[in-house]
Amino acid sequence: RKEVEQDPGPFNVPEGATVAFNCTYSNSASQSFFWYRQDCRKEPKLLMSVYSSGNEDGRFTAQLNRASQYISLLIRDSKLSDSATYLCVVIFTSGTYKYIFGTGTRLKVLA
Amino acid sequence: DVKVTQSSRYLVKRTGEKVFLECVQDMDHENMFWYRQDPGLGLRLIYFSYDVKMKEKGDIPEGYSVSREKKERFSLILESASTNQTSMYLCASTPSGGATDTQYFGPGTRLTVL
Repeated sequence: RKEVEQDPGPFNVPEGATVAFNCTYSNSASQSFFWYRQDCRKEPKLLMSVYSSGNEDGRFTAQLNRASQYISLLIRDSKLSDSATYLCVVIFTSGTYKYIFGTGTRLKVLA
Repeated sequence: DVKVTQSSRYLVKRTGEKVFLECVQDMDHENMFWYRQDPGLGLRLIYFSYDVKMKEKGDIPEGYSVSREKKERFSLILESASTNQTSMYLCASTPSGGATDTQYFGPGTRLTVL
């Protein structure tokens, strides 16, 4: 089983739709969680951290479910510019801090 | 604003050549990382460094070496490039390697080995 798993998609949604992605992780000792956004042929960029209590940044909401070992990202009122690949990142301690990246979920927002 | 730069955006090399990829960060970060990214495989850690002259193997170090002589610069070396090293190479840095540190990435180098 992969340490971090994501549905590769693509998720094709119309503008204005709400879309949600999940990311499951296998290591229960995982400590920190992030969502990154990666545009085609560009580097990943931090979208938002994921806090235990859940957090919101504009149209984006991230949640953590430690019991079921997954994080989620909800995008409301999708824009064409939201089209990208969304990577989840999990950090756990193994001597040093280890960053594990999911393979990403591709989102296409259609006009 | 953190800036991570990489020496080349695109590089074409021949099998057997020695290849140097350079990464520079301007925010005095302690930790630097080299990843490669391939379709369907995501980002895979090659090497990382938590201090000058220190290095640790990542998940796929074979065929690669690294050098960190200065805090701001982390080089990835392909001693003898092979076609299976054709990939997107991403450098990243973090301030101190804590559990809440986010990684800042350079723009990537797309390497093609012929």
